[in-house]
Formats: sequence, C-alpha cells, structure tokens
Amino acid sequence: EAQVTQNPRYLITVTGKKLTVTCSQNMNHEYMSWYRQDPGLGLRQIYYSMNVEVTDKGDVPEGYKVSRKEKRNFPLILESPSPNQTSLYFCASARRGDGTGELFFGEGSRLTVL
Amino acid sequence: AQSVTQLDSQVPVFEEAPVELRCNYSSSVSVYLFWYVQYPNQGLQLLLKYLSGSTLVKGINGFEAEFNKSQTSFHLRKPSVHISDTAEYFCAVSAYSGSARQLTFGSGTQLTVLP
Repeated sequence: EAQVTQNPRYLITVTGKKLTVTCSQNMNHEYMSWYRQDPGLGLRQIYYSMNVEVTDKGDVPEGYKVSRKEKRNFPLILESPSPNQTSLYFCASARRGDGTGELFFGEGSRLTVL
Repeated sequence: AQSVTQLDSQVPVFEEAPVELRCNYSSSVSVYLFWYVQYPNQGLQLLLKYLSGSTLVKGINGFEAEFNKSQTSFHLRKPSVHISDTAEYFCAVSAYSGSARQLTFGSGTQLTVLP
C-alpha cells in the first residue's frame, strides 16, 4: 500500500530535550516536505526537499533541522524544543516538486513541549 | 508572496443541502489550485485540482470547484452533502516564488453536516 509513515504519532516532551520525528514514503517520490498545523493558521511549510541531498527552508524553519540522505526518508529534528513548537506536524511527499502533482500526507504527529 | 484566504472558518449545513466553501488567492499569474480534505485524526487527501483547461473541475465524493481568474477565486461546491462530508477543507495555491513553485495553504474551513 502506498503510504507516508510518520513516527511517533504522539509525543510529550520537555523544553530542550532533542527529538526526531521520522518520515518514510514507499512511493519513490522525489519531493518531500514538512508542515506544521496550528488552529486558525492552516498548514505552514517548515522545510522541503526536491530530491536526495537537496533541502530548503519553507516559511517557518526556525528551530528545526532536516536531512535527506535517502530518497524514502526525511526526518524532522528539533534540537532544543520550545513550547511554541507544540503543534501537529505533517510529512508529505509528491512524485516531483514542480507544484502540479498531488501531495500524499502522513497521518500526523502531535507534539507537546512542556 | 502568495496568500490564500478561506473566508469562512466554520460552515454548518443540514444534510442533503448544497454547500459552497469559498477560497480567494492573491496572485493570478500562472497558478495551480487545489482543494484538500482532512477527516478527524487523519492527514490531508486531495479532493481536486486545477492545472489548466476547463475552469470547472470535478473531484472525488461529488465535489466540484470553479476557477475564476478575474475574481481570483476557486470556490468548492457540492449540491447535496452527507454526514460523512463533515471534515476540514483546505484550499491551496501553487505559484512561483522566485524560480520555484511554492504551495501555500489557506487557514481551513470546518464543514459540519447536521442531521
């Protein structure tokens, strides 16, 4: 089954404790992206990757890191989480990054930073 | 930078009634337009998209949307809604930012279908 898998789905952590949210897709997609969803703000892009070893900042990259060492994986790293990073996070992938195709989303990771 | 406005944050409607969810965007230059749906505790799924051609686009689950270039709008419609259509709906616009396309989402409209 074609899917985007995120882990963990739910996480409660404390300020400053490094964490990684993993994302994996099995569709051989070139493009992958991370979004955060906050009430009233919709989805805002954190980082995206057009292909392996190519990543770029989205609209709200501060406090986040990403890497794309393999085509299928695109982890999101919070080096020193803060309470304002409490949010619902989505990973998404697309066949290409040309803006024409469907984005396939994971089921989301709800993060709470105390 | 592109902006996407979904004019209604919440739309309650009775079952079997028609519904329109409104979406306006800021730039009409070479845009691609999308509607996504998010059911509770799930990720987003594509409902429909407009890239070119006919301005009336049909999607899944009986939804359709019309691209209006002069009014920079892409409103979503369904002639008769079901309880199962209760979800949050997001309009998204792909437009150039520099040399690459960027996808910008609206803030979402919560559609609640009442029995």
